[in-house]
Amino acid sequence: DSGVTQTPKHLITATGQRVTLRCSPRSGDLSVYWYQQSLDQGLQFLIQYYNGEERAKGNILERFSAQQFPDLHSELNLSSLELGDSALYFCASSVVSGGTDTQYFGPGTRLTVL
Amino acid sequence: SQELEQSPQSLIVQEGKNLTINCTSSKTLYGLYWYKQKYGEGLIFLMMLQKGGEEKSHEKITAKLDEKKQQSSLHITASQPSHAGIYLCGADRGGGADGLTFGKGTHLIIQP
Repeated sequence: DSGVTQTPKHLITATGQRVTLRCSPRSGDLSVYWYQQSLDQGLQFLIQYYNGEERAKGNILERFSAQQFPDLHSELNLSSLELGDSALYFCASSVVSGGTDTQYFGPGTRLTVL
Repeated sequence: SQELEQSPQSLIVQEGKNLTINCTSSKTLYGLYWYKQKYGEGLIFLMMLQKGGEEKSHEKITAKLDEKKQQSSLHITASQPSHAGIYLCGADRGGGADGLTFGKGTHLIIQP
């Protein structure tokens, strides 16, 4: 158990809908990262927040947005969902911000768009 | 963006045998991470390598970083069924961007 929690574990929805994924980082971790894992694209970095502020952006679509709240939990919002958005979404956390700080991953949310 | 190539893509090894997985970067490596993933589950952190020539071991798994070749290798000695899964290498993208870039993974199957 990494200490990072994600809810829900599974999510099934229809095209065009909007969903929110939630992540609670390990106690004491200030950075939260979101990743998307799909069969064709592999594991891709989406966005990072550090202590409530956006820190870095990766391959995140404009239909997707995220935020980190004062209690440091984070939410990833996915809107106007398409079939291709079906994937595993992971959240990771680290103590500080920086590439040499180990990121610990949560169990993931499996999103299925029908 | 930094490209990471992992080889082999898949590996079937008889239990008790040794094996090596490689991860090669097309750009400078600032930090190299190895994770293990059970199918459909989260990533488990194994090791992080930062300096050229660095070598770390945990139980029967050893990882090395060759900075000149921009390559890392993960070696498992006397493989066990518990070693089965997907091994992913991830690299710091540098330049102040803090998300990791990952390889496609190596699928390891251990045959009894």
